[in-house]
Amino acid sequence: EAGVAQSPRYKIIEKRQSVAFWCNPISGHATLYWYQQILGQGPKLLIQFQNNGVVDDSQLPKDRFSAERLKGVDSTLKIQPAKLEDSAVYLCASSVTSGRATDTQYFGPGTRLTVL
Amino acid sequence: DQQVKQNSPSLSVQEGRISILNCDYTNSMFDYFLWYKKYPAEGPTFLISISSIKDKNEDGRFTVFLNKSAKHLSLHIVPSQPGDSAVYFCAASAHDGGTSYGKLTFGQGTILTVHP
Repeated sequence: EAGVAQSPRYKIIEKRQSVAFWCNPISGHATLYWYQQILGQGPKLLIQFQNNGVVDDSQLPKDRFSAERLKGVDSTLKIQPAKLEDSAVYLCASSVTSGRATDTQYFGPGTRLTVL
Repeated sequence: DQQVKQNSPSLSVQEGRISILNCDYTNSMFDYFLWYKKYPAEGPTFLISISSIKDKNEDGRFTVFLNKSAKHLSLHIVPSQPGDSAVYFCAASAHDGGTSYGKLTFGQGTILTVHP
């Protein structure tokens, strides 16, 4: 079974530029998560989708971050414009059912973003 | 506000000995706890979990203990192996009005090094 795929693996941009990350969850997984992991910290949930609807985006900086999950499958996360403090690893995860805490979340390898 | 804390940034253990990783939480609504393991350049992978109705859960060499009164959980690895060297994250989830959307709050992580 293929795991969660993410691209690109690494991205370096200048501040005020835009960037987009892509995630393809495990086939058949209904719930998709985007996390931000700043160096030395644990992952922080940015947004959670169940199928193609948003369940939780309370920690998403909506003035510059946006995310979509078209057709309830793959997803993109965009930052526009990027700030220095956005430098982090962006992790995508998916789980099979309704997003309950007891559903195992499977993580992709992440995209490491460096903003100069 | 750091609701889940792992106060030891690193732990070094000899192969064959016990590794004990600790985690404290402040939110009394948390009722499901997980440990994830992360290797460099990979996403976190689920290791073991425990519900608040239990005080111990065991899976092979891994045992998680939960002390609800102290708001403390620990992960024991016995015996430790060099392949266990990784970053270990504690995570917690809370039910919300009887439903849970699977939102995880992570600690900062502890780097475990097991020496041969």
